[in-house]
Amino acid sequence: NAGVTQTPKFQVLKTGQSMTLQCAQDMNHEYMSWYRQDPGMGLRLIHYSVGAGITDQGEVPNGYNVSRSTTEDFPLRLLSAAPSQTSVYFCASSYGQPSSYNSPLHFGNGTRLTVT
Amino acid sequence: TQLLEQSPQFLSIQEGENLTVYCNSSSVFSSLQWYRQEPGEGPVLLVTVVTGGEVKKLKRLTFQFGDARKDSSLHITAAQPGDTGLYLCAGPLASGTYKYIFGTGTRLKVLA
Repeated sequence: NAGVTQTPKFQVLKTGQSMTLQCAQDMNHEYMSWYRQDPGMGLRLIHYSVGAGITDQGEVPNGYNVSRSTTEDFPLRLLSAAPSQTSVYFCASSYGQPSSYNSPLHFGNGTRLTVT
Repeated sequence: TQLLEQSPQFLSIQEGENLTVYCNSSSVFSSLQWYRQEPGEGPVLLVTVVTGGEVKKLKRLTFQFGDARKDSSLHITAAQPGDTGLYLCAGPLASGTYKYIFGTGTRLKVLA
């Protein structure tokens, strides 16, 4: 049972480069989301999706794009990386609203990104 | 400005001591969740509180939701080294929304 799988685990980019962080879940969850985690700031929501073809912005969406063509996959694209995007990125999914008793958020193990 | 502020940010205590972590907001939340995160892993859900004034216990951990549903606390009795980790509160930004936000986090270290 893989759960939520994120790739790569580590990545180093130069300023201005683009890349895609991959996220896949095998639990048939409708809700998927991306967070970034920085010291002293908990997790901040970047983008989220409530189903295939539906995405919306979170708290810190600038510099990131997402799409949801299938239920399983929710890639996060950095169009032109900046040092301020150095962070640990987490993908998470849930069956329904993540605040529900029977719909906890399941997290991947994160991607550590460094932009030089 | 983050909507969910946690205090303290860091806490280092001896095994056997008690501690309380606070999660505060100026906004009303329909529910709040508490997660624990260990190094190199994603957060894992501990508990959900829904009703104002609600108290839930999970072994040595006691969670309380404020009467006005703007704050919550986590109390650990007789802390153990296994309690070490990052504790995060989280909740929906507005009732019925899928926009789900996390607090600033409290990093706890329990020394043997």
